[in-house]
Formats: sequence, structure tokens, C-alpha cells
Amino acid sequence: QSALTQPRSVSGSPGQSVTISCTGTTSDVGGYNFVSWYQQHPGKAPRLMIYDVTKRPSGVPDRFSGSKSGNTASLTISGLQAEDEADYYCCSYAGSYTFVVFGGGTKLTVL
Amino acid sequence: EEQLVQSGAEVKKPGESLKISCKGSGYSFSSYWIGWVRQMSGKGLEWMGMVYPGDSDTRYSPSFQGQVTISADKSVSTAYLQWSSLEASDTAMYYCARRIVGRTWGFDIWGQGTMVTVSS
Repeated sequence: QSALTQPRSVSGSPGQSVTISCTGTTSDVGGYNFVSWYQQHPGKAPRLMIYDVTKRPSGVPDRFSGSKSGNTASLTISGLQAEDEADYYCCSYAGSYTFVVFGGGTKLTVL
Repeated sequence: EEQLVQSGAEVKKPGESLKISCKGSGYSFSSYWIGWVRQMSGKGLEWMGMVYPGDSDTRYSPSFQGQVTISADKSVSTAYLQWSSLEASDTAMYYCARRIVGRTWGFDIWGQGTMVTVSS
């Protein structure tokens, strides 16, 4: 069982928006503004999409955005495109003992 | 180009030792933490630990403490992940990743992964 809870799957049609949630505790998501999101296509390495809850690395489309409320972080993808179909993982700093925890991953299907 | 290049796939027997590598290039390797992440077949990402090549400071996930050793040699811009006695349950893809510098948490550059298969 992963430390952070994500829905197993979400889906949307091209052009629509989808939101993936990531629920943790006050020891991780709720305690720090250090949530990151990763996209992983089959057979590929993960790619950083969002870090520090809302920041987007250069090269990541602005269709991807992050937010947080309490112990739940969210990744929103607007204007869905076929290439967005992938697995998405949230990740949070969890203090100086555990350091980093990941969510179990969410499979995004673009219908 | 900033990149991390990992060593090739390995096939080992239970009880054998193994050391895989992750070589950085295109940036100041000593100045960034390098983390290791396990991904078992069809499963999610698991953070194992990280090393700061500048002074070899190392941090481990409690789940992997004592199970693996993480190290780095800044003279050759390479981080390592090693096992002293492999088990079948160590079969997985292993990724190294660079942590963004500063008071921030995110891993912005990833290696291509090293597949480790442990089978008798």
C-alpha cells in the first residue's frame, strides 16, 4: 500500500479537463509545499511535470497545473490530448526520517 | 545536454552481489542530490534513497535502509546502487534521478533505467 492515495484510473475526451487527486497526511502532503507530479509513458522513465505543488519546469505545457488543499494535492490537465495518456504519480516530501513518498499512480485514458 | 545515463540490464542469481551505476553529464554533478527509485513490474514508484556527490552524504528510505548501499564518486560523476546479496524480490527496474537544487523537492532529470533480474 502506497503512502499517498491516488485514484487507480481517470479518463477524459480530447479537449476536456481532468483532475487527479493525491491524498496524504499532515506528515507529508499537508505538512509541506513539496508535492511533485510525474508522467510516465509505458516503457519510459518518469518525467517531472509539477514540483513544489504549483511550479512547472520549462518545457511542460501550461495545460498542466497543480494545487493543494489540506492533505490533498491535485493535478489538473486541461485541453486533453492523446499524448497525455500515461500513468501519473504524485510525490511528497515527508520529513527528515521518511524523506520521500509516492502515490500508487493513476492511469489516465484519453477516450 | 544535462543527462543521467545508467548502466545496462543485469541478470543475477540469488545471493550474488551487484552494483549498478548512474553517470551524470552536462552539469555540475557534485552539486545535486541523486536519488534512486525502484519500480517493480506493473507497479508504482518507490523512493529508495539519495546521495549528495559533493560530500557523499546519504539518506535512505526506512524501507530500504540496510537492504542496499547508495554511494557516489564525484571524480567520475557517477552514483551507485549496490546489493551485497540479491533476492528474487529485488527484480525490478531501477531509476536514478536528479533532485532540483535548493529548498525544493522534485526530480527533474531521470536516467533511462536499469533492469535487474534475479533468478535461479
